[in-house]
Amino acid sequence: ELKVEQNPLFLSMQEGKNYTIYCNYSTTSDRLYWYRQDPGKSLESLFVLLSNGAVKQEGRLMASLDTKARLSTLHITAAVHDLSATYFCTAFTGNQFYFGTGTSLTVIP
Amino acid sequence: KAGVTQTPRYLIKTRGQQVTLSCSPISGHRSVSWYQQTPGQGLQFLFEYFSETQRNKGNFPGRFSGRQFSNSRSEMNVSTLELGDSALYLCASSVDRGWQYFGPGTRLTVT
Repeated sequence: ELKVEQNPLFLSMQEGKNYTIYCNYSTTSDRLYWYRQDPGKSLESLFVLLSNGAVKQEGRLMASLDTKARLSTLHITAAVHDLSATYFCTAFTGNQFYFGTGTSLTVIP
Repeated sequence: KAGVTQTPRYLIKTRGQQVTLSCSPISGHRSVSWYQQTPGQGLQFLFEYFSETQRNKGNFPGRFSGRQFSNSRSEMNVSTLELGDSALYLCASSVDRGWQYFGPGTRLTVT
């Protein structure tokens, strides 16, 4: 069974700072997803990464995938309060989706 | 384009009862996936349907079942409810495992 580990689990950062969330997975994955969840809400898709070396950017968020290292990163640039949420990475393999535990991000003004 | 809808949004059931949750995907999407989210276990994959066929299922007991209709709407059923089934149940639709669009979820409480 594929294991997905995210770190850190909790992240408190000041507005304007940069930080990276790491997502390691234990076996080969066909694709990697990143989601955002606001408290009490559903999930929102952020990125789908399909191949080694894939890099995608949307606003202040950038996601990358290194399939050889079995690592995906979500980089936050110049954080703003609106980015406060929980972020999940999910690996898809063997026709199943495997979720990380989530990273709870709080951006402090 | 209308988003993914889930009904009901909230549900309270008693142990031993059964429940059926519904998910209507975005028009044109043939793939529907279901997930369970609990404070203890986090997010877990339940099933995925594509064109009325179950493509795969997560590690859940047989009490959890689902189906998909010809219009791509999907239902999931949980029989003989247990306290541990209390959770937020999410469904997502996609063209085919690409970008996933999530519904608002159904919050099930089992007492």
